[in-house]
Amino acid sequence: GQSLEQPSEVTAVEGAIVQINCTYQTSGFYGLSWYQQHDGGAPTFLSYNALDGLEETGRFSSFLSRSDSYGYLLLQELQMKDSASYFCAVLGTGGGNKLTFGTGTQLKVEL
Amino acid sequence: DGGITQSPKYLFRKEGQNVTLSCEQNLNHDAMYWYRQDPGQGLRLIYYSQIVNDFQKGDIAEGYSVSREKKESFPLTVTSAQKNPTAFYLCASSPTSGNIQYFGAGTRLSVL
Repeated sequence: GQSLEQPSEVTAVEGAIVQINCTYQTSGFYGLSWYQQHDGGAPTFLSYNALDGLEETGRFSSFLSRSDSYGYLLLQELQMKDSASYFCAVLGTGGGNKLTFGTGTQLKVEL
Repeated sequence: DGGITQSPKYLFRKEGQNVTLSCEQNLNHDAMYWYRQDPGQGLRLIYYSQIVNDFQKGDIAEGYSVSREKKESFPLTVTSAQKNPTAFYLCASSPTSGNIQYFGAGTRLSVL
């Protein structure tokens, strides 16, 4: 099976850098994804790590370490619109492109 | 515009009633998924389908049923056997070889 743990809440100020961690236990996976969800909205894809290391996409970066069963999402130059929930998810090897989602981290960006 | 359309946005169910949530996509994706999200929680997989006329149970399939008669459509029925149906239901699709899932705007189901 798969299980992923994230902090429930993180608060940061506008313009700052914040890191959202994700630790996982898995029987096998292809990669680690990150999704953003604004209140009441649809999750949207942010980033995917198939290999260990850092992937950078604009203000967002994501990191994976398979040996440590750990990943994180790094958000730079925080903006008020970044206030949302962030979910890590593993793409399982059992077929069907199935994602198992973490518990989610609510990010609050303050002035 | 390509995307995933879920309807209705809000739905109310009476005791003992079956209700069906619609999900349509025009992205030409082979795979489709249904998730349930409870307040402050992550997404849990109910059912998924990789191809027309075939589908598999996810982690919480009890009390739900699906069909996949057309590539574009993957409706979810919440049956009377689901005793705690109040939740936010999300439909998603992905290409067979892709690692990204695209989500609809969701249906919020409540019990009267």
